[in-house]
Amino acid sequence: SQKIEQNSEALNIQEGKTATLTCNYTNYSPAYLQWYRQDPGRGPVFLLLIRENEKEKRKERLKVTFDTTLKQSLFHITASQPADSATYLCALDRTGGSYIPTFGRGTSLIVHP
Amino acid sequence: SQTIHQWPATLVQPVGSPLSLECTVEGTSNPNLYWYRQAAGRGLQLLFYSVGIGQISSEVPQNLSASRPQDRQFILSSKKLLLSDSGFYLCAWKGDPAQETQYFGPGTRLLVL
Repeated sequence: SQKIEQNSEALNIQEGKTATLTCNYTNYSPAYLQWYRQDPGRGPVFLLLIRENEKEKRKERLKVTFDTTLKQSLFHITASQPADSATYLCALDRTGGSYIPTFGRGTSLIVHP
Repeated sequence: SQTIHQWPATLVQPVGSPLSLECTVEGTSNPNLYWYRQAAGRGLQLLFYSVGIGQISSEVPQNLSASRPQDRQFILSSKKLLLSDSGFYLCAWKGDPAQETQYFGPGTRLLVL
């Protein structure tokens, strides 16, 4: 069955550094992958989408890579700020092309001033 | 612009009591609507989705049910709550079945005692 893995341990980094979060998947060939941000007690907010034929996508300080051979996506936040502290969820389309994403459990990012 | 509302924001209910959570979307017509549950430390679990009025698809057999009495209204219900129903309930929408990105509401925190 499909499986999405995100590091369950929180990532702690210093302000100004680059944060890198990992999303691995198995038994899957997704057409696209998305990253969402979720603050405590709030609903997830969409950040970026990358398709299987794209290697990299950028938006301001955010960068996402998608390696379909490694079955992995990396999510980078450059020049991180304490306001970037949140849980980041990776989501992939479900097999069968239903366009309903399957979400990973998310990784908590804590940026220290 | 489109907005999505959920209420109540927080709910504490005794075991065996009924449940009704409401979600409404503004600024769009015929949205695809979704109910998710997020238990503590767990990922987003898709419960129900609807592509139109009166059309409900269930993902997980359980004591919950969903209804869509109006185009932009989605209701999650239970006749008798279980302790295991505690969690963070999120409603989401998207404008087109083939659209990849979902937009989430603020969520309802449910605690069953």
